[in-house]
Amino acid sequence: GAVVSQHPSRVICKSGTSVKIECRSLDFQATTMFWYRQFPKQSLMLMATSNEGSKATYEQGVEKDKFLINHASLTLSTLTVTSAHPEDSSFYICSAMAAPTDTQYFGPGTRLTVL
Amino acid sequence: QKEVEQDPGPLSVPEGAIVSLNCTYSNSAFQYFMWYRQYSRKGPELLMYTYSSGNKEDGRFTAQVDKSSKYISLFIRDSQPSDSATYLCAMSAAGNTPLVFGKGTRLSVIA
Repeated sequence: GAVVSQHPSRVICKSGTSVKIECRSLDFQATTMFWYRQFPKQSLMLMATSNEGSKATYEQGVEKDKFLINHASLTLSTLTVTSAHPEDSSFYICSAMAAPTDTQYFGPGTRLTVL
Repeated sequence: QKEVEQDPGPLSVPEGAIVSLNCTYSNSAFQYFMWYRQYSRKGPELLMYTYSSGNKEDGRFTAQVDKSSKYISLFIRDSQPSDSATYLCAMSAAGNTPLVFGKGTRLSVIA
């Protein structure tokens, strides 16, 4: 149980384009999902907390207009990187919180490369 | 001082060895403690989940939490080459709050 999927697993795009990443909880409902980014050999950096039906809460230093988060259902959250630039290239990972222990289960990650 | 400190390694051990991974933390409000394993270019996989102090065992893995010392450990018995990965400790004060991660310890188990 407690499987989280992400799509796509890898994306390469040109500078200036927008990229959408989906995070789905496959066998449980998640009112809360989290988005992280991870640079090589670094730990996970929390970007934002996504709550179903409400606006996401962004961490300090994360631009909410650049990283658009939508949590439209109890099993799906999306992260859209708008007007992507090479410095946005990173590994983006989502996690979903499963009741009743509120344990976080992670997706497999999406590797974004902006040329 | 960072909230969670974890030695990044790398740690290299022979197959069959007992591995000890540790984290210290400064926030006494932390109640939930987790260990995740992350293979290269993959998302973290939950290994152990512990609430408050004490020990928890699952197969070859044992998690220990000492809240008085603000110190948590993960022990891996009979280590295997397939255990080679980065191990991340994570913790939170409440069940529905974001996790605070350690930097991760890179482990290599040599056959």
